[in-house]
Amino acid sequence: AQTVTQSQPEMSVQEAETVTLSCTYDTSENNYYLFWYKQPPSRQMILVIRQEAYKQQNATENRFSVNFQKAAKSFSLKISDSQLGDTAMYFCAFMPREGSGGGADGLTFGKGTHLIIQP
Amino acid sequence: EAQVTQNPRYLITVTGKKLTVTCSQNMNHEYMSWYRQDPGLGLRQIYYSMNVEVTDKGDVPEGYKVSRKEKRNFPLILESPSPNQTSLYFCASSLSDYNEQFFGPGTRLTVL
Repeated sequence: AQTVTQSQPEMSVQEAETVTLSCTYDTSENNYYLFWYKQPPSRQMILVIRQEAYKQQNATENRFSVNFQKAAKSFSLKISDSQLGDTAMYFCAFMPREGSGGGADGLTFGKGTHLIIQP
Repeated sequence: EAQVTQNPRYLITVTGKKLTVTCSQNMNHEYMSWYRQDPGLGLRQIYYSMNVEVTDKGDVPEGYKVSRKEKRNFPLILESPSPNQTSLYFCASSLSDYNEQFFGPGTRLTVL
């Protein structure tokens, strides 16, 4: 079984600053996916970024990038030039990859980090 | 528009009164799943379905039932709801169990 840990229940930064959300996970799998989901006040779950564990290059999506350290089982999310609309809950999630035998377990989520962007 | 829909979006009910939350997707996805979200606990998987007539338990299945008679629909059934099932429920779907999951808008359930 996998576990995902987000050690920061809440963070607050000023608009335009850069912020990093931490995530660590524990698994015996070698092939897997990692995700960051954003949940704004509307409660909709929005995929922010995904990383495939077999890829060494860190994923980036505009202002969002990750620092994936496979050996350390760490998967942090960096938000550059933060905006008021980035205020949300952020969830880190893990999913085994095809061939590893555990895909039917679905997503394992961390408990979330509430990010507040101050004007 | 490709989407996952859930109904109702909000529901207040009383202990013991059977209810069904519907979930439908229009993306021809094989894999569907139900999660519940509780404060401080993140999202936890209740049940999932790999395909029509194939369902299995997730991490917190007690008190819930599901069915998958059609590919597009995956209803969540609470035969005898209890207050500890008050939660925010999400349905999700994906091409297969290894692909990115798309989430519905959520159903806020309160059991009195």
